[in-house]
Amino acid sequence: QLVLTQSPSASASLGASVKLTCTLSSGHSGYAIAWHQQQPEKGPRFLMKLNNDGSHTRGDGIPDRFSGSSSGAERYLSISSLQSEDEADYYCQTWGTGIQVFGGGTKLTVL
Amino acid sequence: EVQLVESGGGLVQPGGSLRLSCAASGFTFSNYNMNWVRQPPGKGLEWISYISSSSTTIHNADSVKGRFTISRDNAKNSLYLQMNSLRAEDTAVYYCARCGNDGRYEDNWGPGILVTVSS
Repeated sequence: QLVLTQSPSASASLGASVKLTCTLSSGHSGYAIAWHQQQPEKGPRFLMKLNNDGSHTRGDGIPDRFSGSSSGAERYLSISSLQSEDEADYYCQTWGTGIQVFGGGTKLTVL
Repeated sequence: EVQLVESGGGLVQPGGSLRLSCAASGFTFSNYNMNWVRQPPGKGLEWISYISSSSTTIHNADSVKGRFTISRDNAKNSLYLQMNSLRAEDTAVYYCARCGNDGRYEDNWGPGILVTVSS
């Protein structure tokens, strides 16, 4: 079964860096994913598509402070030079035969 | 600029029906696959329906199979979601989203529209 697992919460200080993790279920370690950001009271925004080799393509207007990487079944979203507007929920998402799946989301707090 | 704008939401009684629309602009709508994704209040995102660019392929989540129908009109640059036999657990913000051109992920999102199922 295709499942994405995310930690419910994370925190980091203003100006620092943070790395969020999304884990693919067993047998699905080769899958690409997408990362989405949802700021409070707003709709989601596409950040990037992340391939299993770590290559990634950012969405339009997404700054290079946002980057992605991969290791085995783990997919990472790294955010550098944290700003207050980065405080948001971050969702990973993938797709398989006839389905799409979202992770439960990670709520990032910028201290 | 890609724009997706949902309409047709509101309050409906359990067992009732509602049709959502999504008006697309800023890109060649007929070239892109499309999705509906929903988000219950205070909860995470749930993909519910996918339609290919020419409507030849449709996928639905188990939670809406047999009740919801996705469709599109490429001449009108519009995506639709017909929702029947609505339940309280269908209460959510519904998002129209465009698929990326190299995978079934959402690369552009609408602002969303609230559907409330309650008596």
